[in-house]
Amino acid sequence: GAGVSQTPSNKVTEKGKYVELRCDPISGHTALYWYRQSLGQGPEFLIYFQGTGAADDSGLPNDRFFAVRPEGSVSTLKIQRTERGDSAVYLCASSPIAGPPSDTQYFGPGTRLTVL
Amino acid sequence: AQSVTQPDIHITVSEGASLELRCNYSYGATPYLFWYVQSPGQGLQLLLKYFSGDTLVQGIKGFEAEFKRSQSSFNLRKPSVHWSDAAEYFCAALSGGSYIPTFGRGTSLIVHP
Repeated sequence: GAGVSQTPSNKVTEKGKYVELRCDPISGHTALYWYRQSLGQGPEFLIYFQGTGAADDSGLPNDRFFAVRPEGSVSTLKIQRTERGDSAVYLCASSPIAGPPSDTQYFGPGTRLTVL
Repeated sequence: AQSVTQPDIHITVSEGASLELRCNYSYGATPYLFWYVQSPGQGLQLLLKYFSGDTLVQGIKGFEAEFKRSQSSFNLRKPSVHWSDAAEYFCAALSGGSYIPTFGRGTSLIVHP
């Protein structure tokens, strides 16, 4: 594809509901990252995949957050029992391979999640 | 702890004026350094990056950045700002051996006609 795509672009949900956010990386990119960007802040790392496996999930704030990438391409970020504090823009990025000096990450436009 | 600081939350310049956005990092060793731009509703786009070598780095859209080890800084510059440069700018750092960058909180650039 032309770039990283994320769906939906906006998601409004009620407190306590379950949501799934989807990321389609650039074709052939093996590394995939999820970030959360709160208002007025820079992106904060959540989880990083190398292929199908989560190489580092140390940024996930708690066990309500989970992400998968079963076939090494599309990834889904899943949030259970959403809380108002989960409201943010969730960004996805991909890169051809992981690690510097090649670690140019290509970002998607993000999904804006609002928890009422 | 490793951190990236962008001391200016907002910067306002007139179109055609020069621009400098500040970025300071706190790392044990010199990290890899990046500048990204984010326009409303868009993803982050890489402007430039520094890994080693020449401390003055040229990027896209006429931007450049200078790495100064003595000041732990990596400031972004542009000699003449265009109205289309209005956006949010993020500095990021990545330590050697890590795949996880740390971003600053961003600087919002406002361009007056």
